[in-house]
Amino acid sequence: DGGITQSPKYLFRKEGQNVTLSCEQNLNHDAMYWYRQDPGQGLRLIYYSQIVNDFQKGDIAEGYSVSREKKESFPLTVTSAQKNPTAFYLCASSIQGARTEAFFGQGTRLTVV
Amino acid sequence: SQQGEEDPQALSIQEGENATMNCSYKTSINNLQWYRQNSGRGLVHLILIRSNEREKHSGRLRVTLDTSKKSSSLLITASRAADTASYFCATDRSGGSYIPTFGRGTSLIVHP
Repeated sequence: DGGITQSPKYLFRKEGQNVTLSCEQNLNHDAMYWYRQDPGQGLRLIYYSQIVNDFQKGDIAEGYSVSREKKESFPLTVTSAQKNPTAFYLCASSIQGARTEAFFGQGTRLTVV
Repeated sequence: SQQGEEDPQALSIQEGENATMNCSYKTSINNLQWYRQNSGRGLVHLILIRSNEREKHSGRLRVTLDTSKKSSSLLITASRAADTASYFCATDRSGGSYIPTFGRGTSLIVHP
């Protein structure tokens, strides 16, 4: 089945640690996105990539990093520089950006302990 | 930057009633999309309406688009308890780049 997979579903991070959230898609989509969702805040764009080996900062990129070495994969690293990382993280992919629908993973809930 | 904003933020209705949610946006768009999110899950695409369309139907869903008012509405007819979810509109990012940009969503509760 084609789709987009995020892992893990739940992740706990200690203060000062970097953690990496996985996002893999087998839909052959060029564009991939990372969003952060806080209660009552909607979805805020962290990073996006419209082609392999290229990515751009979104609205809240500080404290995050990404890579896009393969078309299928767009991992997000939450670094220790992100002061308030506890949130729900959503990865999405699409053909040609918002000209078509975006497909979302099931999300990763990150909690700082 | 959030292009679209949904209204109301929360909506509580009885099963069988219709639910109407609105979305307003600021700059011209190529299309507008509506998504649904069940609690703690990813978003699921419901319907896409292009800027040259005024109305679109899909099952119990009806979406309208008024580009002169920069607004869209999502109507769910004969609602069911299973429709309980958050609903988001998504538009092109301002500036014309094709990045889905979401509002804060409408939280819909349908009481059985």
